[in-house]
Amino acid sequence: QITLKESGPTLVKPTQTLTLTCTFSGFSLSTSGVGVGWIRQPPGKALEWLALIYWDDDKRYSPSLKSRLTITKDTSKNQVVLTMTNMDPVDTATYFCAHSPYNWNYALDYWGQGTLVTVSS
Amino acid sequence: QTVVTQEPSFSVSPGGTVTLTCGLSSGSVSTSYYPSWYQQTPGQAPRTLIYSTNTRSSGVPDRFSGSILGNKAALTITGAQADDESDYYCVLYMGSGIGVFGTGTKVTVL
Repeated sequence: QITLKESGPTLVKPTQTLTLTCTFSGFSLSTSGVGVGWIRQPPGKALEWLALIYWDDDKRYSPSLKSRLTITKDTSKNQVVLTMTNMDPVDTATYFCAHSPYNWNYALDYWGQGTLVTVSS
Repeated sequence: QTVVTQEPSFSVSPGGTVTLTCGLSSGSVSTSYYPSWYQQTPGQAPRTLIYSTNTRSSGVPDRFSGSILGNKAALTITGAQADDESDYYCVLYMGSGIGVFGTGTKVTVL
């Protein structure tokens, strides 16, 4: 059974760097074709695709946020880390990580429960 | 910047049929965008319904179906039920697998 769980700070100050960790089980990120992505959702607003990392360390970023995002993986720990620099109150959102299976053409199947990050001084 | 557009809201009667669409601010949607669809209720993580235009995720009832209609991706709910009342989001994948979520559609069943 695949599970994912997001962890990280619930409150960050403007200009700080956010580091979120997605810890997963039930699959390996060394399996060909598999990926893990990050998505966020500001309160009351739509989902926003952020980044995705694949088994072979191939990475994709949202063009609008690319300069601020870094996604990495630690296969031995079953973790994917997302860092976002220069946080602003508009980055207040629930951040989700999700699994992308082989042969699903980038789509996501299993999702974490999400973690709410508030940006405020 | 690419904008993926969806209807803000739809209302459907129980047992009725509703078709939600997913379009591009500029251009037509084709299967090459690998459209996928997600259902979300308040306070919950999204649930995957459809991927690669028309393939249902495991456990998704066959009253949900995906297609391309004209120049848009579409999600049709046939025989709507009360627990289909949710927000629905599409995703289109641009070149190299970069995803863009749509603006979302709120479906009310009444």
